[in-house]
Amino acid sequence: EDKVVQSPLSLVVHEGDTVTLNCSYEVTNFRSLLWYKQEKKAPTFLFMLTSSGIEKKSGRLSSILDKKELFSILNITATQTGDSAIYLCAVKSGGATNKLIFGTGTLLAVQP
Amino acid sequence: EPEVTQTPSHQVTQMGQEVILRCVPISNHLYFYWYRQILGQKVEFLVSFYNNEISEKSEIFDDQFSVERPDGSNFTLKIRSTKLEDSAMYFCASKTTTRNERQGTTYEQYFGPGTRLTVT
Repeated sequence: EDKVVQSPLSLVVHEGDTVTLNCSYEVTNFRSLLWYKQEKKAPTFLFMLTSSGIEKKSGRLSSILDKKELFSILNITATQTGDSAIYLCAVKSGGATNKLIFGTGTLLAVQP
Repeated sequence: EPEVTQTPSHQVTQMGQEVILRCVPISNHLYFYWYRQILGQKVEFLVSFYNNEISEKSEIFDDQFSVERPDGSNFTLKIRSTKLEDSAMYFCASKTTTRNERQGTTYEQYFGPGTRLTVT
């Protein structure tokens, strides 16, 4: 059975801290791994990772994929209260539909 | 920026009633999806739809569920006889097949804001 596991389940940090969120997966027909940020409602897209070892960056956020060890990390540096959200990892499986298989998410709370 | 929209934002219904959740995907997108998220649980795939037919569905998507693209813009999820356990947030998503090599982006699914379904 395909599965995506995220850790930690929740995390409380102070503004300015750096956090690392983890995502491991066991998925047949792996195509890519995606990170989403979920605040109030809809998950909003952060990154899509397809190749190992290539870091994707967007401002204070960065992510990298290891297809040999089947995991990805999402780093957030100099955290701000606006980073508080649930961070979802999803793996896109192969086939025509490319459905997403989600992990349970990591709840990040950034305190002032 | 184009976005996926969903209506209503919140639907309350009684057990056994039929509900229709509506989505307007991004206009040039060709793949459509429904996901649900039961409170406190992970987002789960329900169904994908392409070329006017279901391309894949999960075990959750049983005979009580159906999808339709009635008019070329809306994409609907119908639950024929709702159960208490259908209470969840339902997300619609859409995806294009166009790969934008120049910008270095590839196609990902864009999610709507969700419809919270409460079955009483």
